[in-house]
Amino acid sequence: SQTIHQWPATLVQPVGSPLSLECTVEGTSNPNLYWYRQAAGRGLQLLFYSVGIGQISSEVPQNLSASRPQDRQFILSSKKLLLSDSGFYLCAWSRSGPDTQYFGPGTRLTVL
Amino acid sequence: DAKTTQPTSMDCAEGRAANLPCNHSTISGNEYVYWYRQIHSQGPQYIIHGLKNNETNEMASLIITEDRKSSTLILPHATLRDTAVYYCIVRVAGIQGAQKLVFGQGTRLTINP
Repeated sequence: SQTIHQWPATLVQPVGSPLSLECTVEGTSNPNLYWYRQAAGRGLQLLFYSVGIGQISSEVPQNLSASRPQDRQFILSSKKLLLSDSGFYLCAWSRSGPDTQYFGPGTRLTVL
Repeated sequence: DAKTTQPTSMDCAEGRAANLPCNHSTISGNEYVYWYRQIHSQGPQYIIHGLKNNETNEMASLIITEDRKSSTLILPHATLRDTAVYYCIVRVAGIQGAQKLVFGQGTRLTINP
């Protein structure tokens, strides 16, 4: 069966510090991968998605970037965090092509 | 992207059927309706999806109207663990076939003992 992992589970970072969140998927190959953010009391917003290694599509211009160095690894980064980057970050995967997305447990980021 | 409209909140008694409505009047012919739920501080959990026909799985049933402009998610015997925010989503195709899920505010369903 497939599993999706995210770490860390929680993170508290000062404004201006860098960020690196990691997501890995097991039990499948060539998945589509997604990063979402959920601000407090809000719905999920799609940030990035990837259909393959090195292929990243950005949905919302922002202070963040994404990379996919390996088939089942998706990384969300920032060079300098802003207060507005606080939120619940969720990674999701789906089989290649249009298919159901399955979400990871999330990372709760607080920027102070 | 097709938008969905859901009630902000609903209550249901434990053991009764919970019926969650969703309007998606601008849905296109090739767009699927997906339902997810999110329990507090967890990632969204997939429930069910459909295109035209009604669907049923071990978690719920999905009833889609003939004109596809609305749907209803049915939890047949709600339990306290079904308390969550339920999202009705219309999936659209992104670049290179990757799907994009546009989440709204969802319905906060509270199951009361």
